[in-house]
Amino acid sequence: DIQMTQSPSSLSASVGDRVTITCRASQSISRFLNWYQQKPGKTPKLLIYAISDLQTGVPSRFSGSGSGTDFTLTISSLQPEDFATYYCQQSYSSLHTFGQGTKLEI
Amino acid sequence: QVQLVESGGGVVQPGRSLRLSCAASGFRFNDYSMYWVRQAPGKGLEWVAILWYDGINKYYADSVKGRFTISRDTSKNTLYLQMNSLRAEDTAVYYCARDLVVVAAPEAMAVWGQGTTVIVSS
Repeated sequence: DIQMTQSPSSLSASVGDRVTITCRASQSISRFLNWYQQKPGKTPKLLIYAISDLQTGVPSRFSGSGSGTDFTLTISSLQPEDFATYYCQQSYSSLHTFGQGTKLEI
Repeated sequence: QVQLVESGGGVVQPGRSLRLSCAASGFRFNDYSMYWVRQAPGKGLEWVAILWYDGINKYYADSVKGRFTISRDTSKNTLYLQMNSLRAEDTAVYYCARDLVVVAAPEAMAVWGQGTTVIVSS
């Protein structure tokens, strides 16, 4: 199975900050890398698919980049509603896998 | 509108079985790959299983392979997860999700249900 490792596991930031979360795959996953946001007690939400494509309705302050095995999610200017847990996920192999999550706290 | 509604969760003893359902509406159910994803209390998301749009290709996480079965009834627009030989570590909220792309290899989980809770305990 492909292992997905996110860093950091948790992150403290302030409104207006630029934040970057990293995700590393145990092997190359081509373009098949997605990012999800989950707020406490809520359902996960797809933010970005295929490394850098924004899902409909997602604010442009979110962006994704990377290639091969190393990927990043960037939030250009944190808003109060962005404090949540973020997960990367690969859909390259038949068995999709998530990273362990990054909790973004105030 | 597009909607997924899970049901069938509950409290079950170790070793017993449970079947989860996910009723889909607002889209052509046959045309999308569908998933089950779970989240144990206080833990992260765990991908459980996928049923491709073709209704043929099915894949499972190693943690559930041989115990869980994903299936669908297209006449009822419903996805199922049959869970056998349940263990304490299967305790979680179980979400069903729909893929982003239509009639294509799975891409991402674009639509999620609200989840149903399974507790495995004696």
